[in-house]
Amino acid sequence: TQLLEQSPQFLSIQEGENLTVYCNSSSVFSSLQWYRQEPGEGPVLLVTVVTGGEVKKLKRLTFQFGDARKDSSLHITAAQPGDTGLYLCAGVEYGGSQGNLIFGKGTKLSVKP
Amino acid sequence: GAGVSQSPSNKVTEKGKDVELRCDPISGHTALYWYRQSLGQGLEFLIYFQGNSAPDKSGLPSDRFSAERTGGSVSTLTIQRTQQEDSAVYLCASSHPDRVSYEQYFGPGTRLTVT
Repeated sequence: TQLLEQSPQFLSIQEGENLTVYCNSSSVFSSLQWYRQEPGEGPVLLVTVVTGGEVKKLKRLTFQFGDARKDSSLHITAAQPGDTGLYLCAGVEYGGSQGNLIFGKGTKLSVKP
Repeated sequence: GAGVSQSPSNKVTEKGKDVELRCDPISGHTALYWYRQSLGQGLEFLIYFQGNSAPDKSGLPSDRFSAERTGGSVSTLTIQRTQQEDSAVYLCASSHPDRVSYEQYFGPGTRLTVT
């Protein structure tokens, strides 16, 4: 059983469309992070959310941490081809081993011009 | 500033041979992680080093896998008697000790192909 479930697994959209990807768990996380990974490179940290209900914005990207700290979402407004990549959520489970960051399997986003 | 570096970037080896993968973390980062990523998949945790503490080896898939970290800096992941299922991208990440959320900074990875 995957501790962090990401959906959808694949997403192909046209430039200018909006999209939301989800990261869900039955466990509580003390913090949750979103990374983006491009082909041939390692994941790059986009944001960390630590407080239930927290919303963070990074240009056209909006991240939300669920009130119960069990889920998170990433919303992209007016997607651009440069947003293409694998989006990974990762979290530190509440009470879990320090430093053991649990990763979801990712959402592969393709934005066509 | 310098990020996490890994070498080699690509490694092709024959089944049964041993391989060593190297990771240089960001200076000052005391936490170091190894992950494995199969094609199009998420990250599989392998091992975690934090300062001088005993490493968390709970993710190593078999006793053919081992890792060490010398002087609290450079780390080497060794895979003995490689098998075809070991083919994957091996990612290293480091983390600053003061970051409670353990945000990780990744290297570009080593792509291992076992023929």
